[in-house]
Amino acid sequence: DTEVTQTPKHLVMGMTNKKSLKCEQHMGHRAMYWYKQKAKKPPELMFVYSYEKLSINESVPSRFSPECPNSSLLNLHLHALQPEDSALYLCASSQDRDRDNEQFFGPGTRLTVL
Amino acid sequence: GQNIDQPTEMTATEGAIVQINCTYQTSGFNGLFWYQQHAGEAPTFLSYNVLDGLEEKGRFSSFLSRSKGYSYLLLKELQMKDSASYLCAVRDDSWGKLQFGAGTQVVVTP
Repeated sequence: DTEVTQTPKHLVMGMTNKKSLKCEQHMGHRAMYWYKQKAKKPPELMFVYSYEKLSINESVPSRFSPECPNSSLLNLHLHALQPEDSALYLCASSQDRDRDNEQFFGPGTRLTVL
Repeated sequence: GQNIDQPTEMTATEGAIVQINCTYQTSGFNGLFWYQQHAGEAPTFLSYNVLDGLEEKGRFSSFLSRSKGYSYLLLKELQMKDSASYLCAVRDDSWGKLQFGAGTQVVVTP
């Protein structure tokens, strides 16, 4: 199994809703990442988890809350989002954080905030 | 600051060769990656360079010069399915962070 899966594929939510994005990998990777990508822009790193511990938070607003319940799963909890948070949210994983490993990306969740 | 530059768009015909350049100025360097991204899809890994020189992988090759802060991705025998955005990404420290360039949209015409 060499893929990263993400659910849901699409999500529409209001500004008062609470929702969660899910990411899963079964490659034994110990580093997992959340990226945000706006249209025609490159991915921007949000969070890095290494061995289930948060190691990088790129000054992301607290309305985004990551969680890594185990080495295969990564969640992103969303609350009180703004319309400008509408974007493609990509999850990625790599063998670990420190070595010269490629990051495998999931297909993304396309989020629309109304 | 961090700066990664690549051309916005390139057009080439089927069967031709295209070279996408990437220049970078980052606080550190721990490797350069090239990813391909089709519209609405996730980026997929193409190549990785950490030492100077050329890495060849089938129709795709990538070159790195650390002293010049320069890399290129060479796509040979272009096919229609190669129409996509190509992202240059630099890992500037050992913490797993990738800094992405804005991407080069390659359009392959018949």
